[in-house]
Amino acid sequence: GAGVSQSPSNKVTEKGKDVELRCDPISGHTALYWYRQRLGQGLEFLIYFQGNSAPDKSGLPSDRFSAERTGESVSTLTIQRTQQEDSAVYLCASSLVAGVGTGNIQYFGAGTRLSVL
Amino acid sequence: GQQVMQIPQYQHVQEGEDFTTYCNSSTTLSNIQWYKQRPGGHPVFLIQLVKSGEVKKQKRLTFQFGEAKKNSSLHITATQTTDVGTYFCAGPSGNTPLVFGKGTRLSVIA
Repeated sequence: GAGVSQSPSNKVTEKGKDVELRCDPISGHTALYWYRQRLGQGLEFLIYFQGNSAPDKSGLPSDRFSAERTGESVSTLTIQRTQQEDSAVYLCASSLVAGVGTGNIQYFGAGTRLSVL
Repeated sequence: GQQVMQIPQYQHVQEGEDFTTYCNSSTTLSNIQWYKQRPGGHPVFLIQLVKSGEVKKQKRLTFQFGEAKKNSSLHITATQTTDVGTYFCAGPSGNTPLVFGKGTRLSVIA
């Protein structure tokens, strides 16, 4: 596609429910990243995928968070048993590759605003 | 892991004044990138610096990469209301391709 697409754009859920967020990267981009941004705060790295390599999960805040990506296509971020502290904008980005050089410039989607009541 | 620190956290300027944000790392960076996020928007790539002492300009924006490749700055000359937003620097850390600083939020008073 022309850009990184994320859905839904907004999600309101009740505490304790599971949610699934979707990211469709730019075609041909091998690297995909998930970030969390709380209101007025910076970008908190969650996880990234590079091609078929094992993902770097070092930023996931708890075992309630998981992400999947099939090949170099769509990724889903799943949050189980949501808590109010999970409320934030979840941003997805993709890049041609992950590493040094202009290929690692990240292109962001518009994000999913998650509200946990 | 390596952290990228940004200062100041907030900056309020009168339209026409200059603005600078600074980015510092405890370790040498192979490269540094700058992004801008408008209010309510998503981060958009501005520039990447790779070489020691590199200086790049984009109209009223000047980006510098320190000689030791541990710090960087973004300077905006004669700010305009269109410059409003949060400016992030980002650099690699360990196996993570990019770690973002907390950003500097710029407000421009017309």
